[in-house]
Formats: sequence, C-alpha cells, structure tokens
Amino acid sequence: DAGITQSPRHKVTETGTPVTLRCHQTENHRYMYWYRQDPGHGLRLIHYSYGVKDTDKGEVSDGYSVSRSKTEDFLLTLESATSSQTSVYFCAISESKNQPQHFGDGTRLSIL
Amino acid sequence: AQTVTQSQPEMSVQEAETVTLSCTYDTSENNYYLFWYKQPPSRQMILVIRQEAYKQQNATENRFSVNFQKAAKSFSLKISDSQLGDTAMYFCAFMKHHGGSQGNLIFGKGTKLSVKP
Repeated sequence: DAGITQSPRHKVTETGTPVTLRCHQTENHRYMYWYRQDPGHGLRLIHYSYGVKDTDKGEVSDGYSVSRSKTEDFLLTLESATSSQTSVYFCAISESKNQPQHFGDGTRLSIL
Repeated sequence: AQTVTQSQPEMSVQEAETVTLSCTYDTSENNYYLFWYKQPPSRQMILVIRQEAYKQQNATENRFSVNFQKAAKSFSLKISDSQLGDTAMYFCAFMKHHGGSQGNLIFGKGTKLSVKP
C-alpha cells in the first residue's frame, strides 16, 4: 500500500472555526490532491499540488486553501468552517500526472 | 468538460456469479485514462483496474476485466466469480492525458454492489 497518512481521521468542530487537515506521504511523489466525498456526488477535486509551493484549484475550491512547503506534506485549510463543508476528505498522491492516484484512508469532518 | 455517468446506483449478485457494472463518459479528448476504484465499508479507495484509451486491448486484473468501447464512450467492469469481499461501492473515473500540470480524476457517483451468500 502507498504510504499515505491523513490526520486527523475524525474531527468534529463548530461553524466559524478554522480547521486544518494534513496529508503526509512517504513515497516522494510529486503530485498530491485533496478530494471531498459527499453522498450523490462521488469524489470531487478541491485543490491539487504538482510540486513544493505549486498548487492549483480544483472543481470545488471555494472556502478552502492549501499549502505544500515540503514534498511529503499537503495541508488543507478551512479558514472559517461552514456546515456545507461537512464531508469525508480524501488525500491522493501520484508519481506523475498520468499515473494512477492512490488514496489515503480519509478524514471524516463534521461541522456543527 | 468531462462527465462520468454510472447509471446503476445499486446492484446485487450471488456469490460465485458474474456481474457487470456500467460506466459511460463524455469527452472530446482523444488520449485519456479510465479507472475503476473500489470503496469497501472501511472507506478506503482502492484502485481496481486501469485502461489507457490508446490501447485497444481490454485491461484485466485477475477476476476483474473491462469492456472498453472508445467509440461508444463506454467502460464497463466485469467481476467474475464474485466473492463476499467484493461488496463495496465502485467508482468509475476519467483522467485526461495532459501536456500541462493537471492530472485530476473525474468520478462517477458510484454503484453500490452487494454480493450475497
């Protein structure tokens, strides 16, 4: 299995608070992605990174920011969490943009 | 924009039988990749099989095989000799072959497969 660790695995927080999710990889892959999974929508891309300090927006990026200061870490931040951001968040990595993506175990985030 | 459609929200199959999950997609691209991912109740996303659009031969991984029809934009997954451990959500996904920086997946909404003893 690809060495991908997401933390925390579960989090409950209140509306308006900042939240940071972490994705850590030990594969030295260049590409990292953040998706959210909601019932009836499958997985949708939030942001992705194609190198240290190189990031770009995905389909559902509003309300989210990301940072990648090291190859192994990709952080997803909700600056002011809203109930619509309650979801399961998945991190994925790939060696190159044309290689399959491998996923972490997900973070279940509940915003009350 | 690319879209992926899985028309079967739920399916069931008896253990040891064969089942086929449907997927269609819409794209104007000529070079791309298609994937099937499995998500068991444990929530992990597991890559099942991958198909490159420029390859005419259908991909096979043990009991899993695909029927890739490029002209029809169809990419179905066949599971032979179904096992109880195959019970999961199955997602079809599309990825463009890029010359640029992006390589994200476009997912269908999934098919929930139940394998019955």
